[in-house]
Amino acid sequence: GENVEQHPSTLSVQEGDSAVIKCTYSDSASNYFPWYKQELGKGPQLIIDIRSNVGEKKDQRIAVTLNKTAKHFSLHITETQPEDSAVYFCAARKGGSYIPTFGRGTSLIVHP
Amino acid sequence: GAVVSQHPSRVICKSGTSVKIECRSLDFQATTMFWYRQFPKQSLMLMATSNEGSKATYEQGVEKDKFLINHASLTLSTLTVTSAHPEDSSFYICSARDSSGGKETQYFGPGTRLLVL
Repeated sequence: GENVEQHPSTLSVQEGDSAVIKCTYSDSASNYFPWYKQELGKGPQLIIDIRSNVGEKKDQRIAVTLNKTAKHFSLHITETQPEDSAVYFCAARKGGSYIPTFGRGTSLIVHP
Repeated sequence: GAVVSQHPSRVICKSGTSVKIECRSLDFQATTMFWYRQFPKQSLMLMATSNEGSKATYEQGVEKDKFLINHASLTLSTLTVTSAHPEDSSFYICSARDSSGGKETQYFGPGTRLLVL
């Protein structure tokens, strides 16, 4: 089955810096890659997603890049703010399936 | 984005009692809902997939008689933890599949914190 690796497990940055979280996947049939933000005591919220027919997608301060050949995708957050502090999960889903495989999560801490 | 609600947000119960958790999709119809369990500082563990009008599909190692799932309508799925024990204490999160317009997106509820004494 699919295996998703996520790094780093913890990321600490200063407010205003950029943060990058990287994920790799194993199944070349995966074609949908969502990113979720989970604040303490809450459920994950979809913040951005990318499908395999594009290489990059941007939404204000967040962007996701996908390299299908290398089977990795990354989340980029620019001009980080303390409210960006949360756990971020990447996921990969195969075509024909609606069950994603999640990474283990990255705890992002933005220091004011 | 779409909204998924869960009720209750937290519950404390005595060992041996049963607890029901509701998951609702508020602005879309969800033929499929998912139930996850999350331990502190860990990722989401899929417990079961709930399809409207049919039996749920449980992941390996999840006891279907202990975690009863009912998906009676296109907007409501319930998870009942039967004869709860302290080891069932966890954060339970549902999600709903929105396949309208062919987009196939999964939206999560806010989670339910269960503490079994």
